[in-house]
Amino acid sequence: ETGVTQSPTHLIKTRGQQVTLRCSSQSGHNTVSWYQQALGQGPQFIFQYYREEENGRGNFPPRFSGLQFPNYSSELNVNALELDDSALYLCASSPMGQMNTEAFFGQGTRLTVV
Amino acid sequence: AQSVSQHNHHVILSEAASLELGCNYSYGGTVNLFWYVQYPGQHLQLLLKYFSGDPLVKGIKGFEAEFIKSKFSFNLRKPSVQWSDTAEYFCAVNAPGGGADGLTFGKGTHLIIQP
Repeated sequence: ETGVTQSPTHLIKTRGQQVTLRCSSQSGHNTVSWYQQALGQGPQFIFQYYREEENGRGNFPPRFSGLQFPNYSSELNVNALELDDSALYLCASSPMGQMNTEAFFGQGTRLTVV
Repeated sequence: AQSVSQHNHHVILSEAASLELGCNYSYGGTVNLFWYVQYPGQHLQLLLKYFSGDPLVKGIKGFEAEFIKSKFSFNLRKPSVQWSDTAEYFCAVNAPGGGADGLTFGKGTHLIIQP
């Protein structure tokens, strides 16, 4: 078990709707990253937050946005949902400021868009 | 841009067989290398990591991996697999120093161990 928790665990939304996913980072970790894992694929990096600001982003459109709060927890927001957004969304936390570190993953939120 | 290639998408072995899963990466600079495992219904867990130093790294549960810089490879090995090793295995890379570009994962290898 890692200390990274995500909510909800499962979610069903309709195309065009908006969704918010939540993540609490492991104690002592100030960096949160979000990944999208489509069925049968490896996780793909969406973006990373450090000190409440986005400091890295993968190849995802602007309708994918996020927030990080002073307690280092984070939200992933997706607007105008599309069927292809159906995936497992993973949150990972790590202690920025260390040169080389690993990411600790939560169990994910399974989003289904119908 | 970084990329990771895992050669075997599905592997089926019998218990006690030896395992080697291939991983090659594409990146022009120094990289950190990882193997993660995802057991059914569980979160991604780190098996082992390479940052620098001895290119042969040992991880949890008897796994090891060898970094061969000239081949841009980081293959995962285990001399004798167990039924409980059935899982999805992911190779991943990032750039040292925080990795604001995140981890780049391969597509994964689904390993099934038959009793």
